[in-house]
Amino acid sequence: KAGVTQTPRYLIKTRGQQVTLSCSPISGHRSVSWYQQTPGQGLQFLFEYFSETQRNKGNFPGRFSGRQFSNSRSEMNVSTLELGDSALYLCASSEGQGNTEAFFGQGTRLTVV
Amino acid sequence: GESVGLHLPTLSVQEGDNSIINCAYSNSASDYFIWYKQESGKGPQFIIDIRSNMDKRQGQRVTVLLNKTVKHLSLQIAATQPGDSAVYFCAEEKGGSYIPTFGRGTSLIVHP
Repeated sequence: KAGVTQTPRYLIKTRGQQVTLSCSPISGHRSVSWYQQTPGQGLQFLFEYFSETQRNKGNFPGRFSGRQFSNSRSEMNVSTLELGDSALYLCASSEGQGNTEAFFGQGTRLTVV
Repeated sequence: GESVGLHLPTLSVQEGDNSIINCAYSNSASDYFIWYKQESGKGPQFIIDIRSNMDKRQGQRVTVLLNKTVKHLSLQIAATQPGDSAVYFCAEEKGGSYIPTFGRGTSLIVHP
């Protein structure tokens, strides 16, 4: 079956703009989690959505938000982009809530200039 | 494995050797631990997990050991292959939080 699909793969934005990233989970998976990966901070948890509800949130400012649709597809939005938001954004899906045997997508590489 | 700045600790092994990757976790309340493998240009891949009521868990060619006394986790890879070359992360979760905290990773290089 198809894996986790993230679009776009690469994105360049200007400071102050906003961006929306998309994640399509594995069919049947109801949980989608988002992560930010940078060389300086490593892999950090952003938030998790399960059954269209945000269930958990990491320590990121309110500029980072997300949502999940009834088909479990998820989007994350970053508003008022800062240079420090440049990162690889990963999403992962799992059947149930939490990270048990989560499957990751290849990520969206966001560059803020 | 903890990193210093941008540089990950690196473990270099010969093909066929056994590899041991270590991870020190920070929260004594953590009760769920996961190891991930990340190859260049790809997202992390789940390898194996363990809950705090266990000390050891085995998978295919991999074993995870948990020492709660010293808050230490290790991943053992048997008969390491060139395809095992990747960055390996550990992650910890505190009881029912579903919020993982990741280690900085260890780069494993397998020489043929």
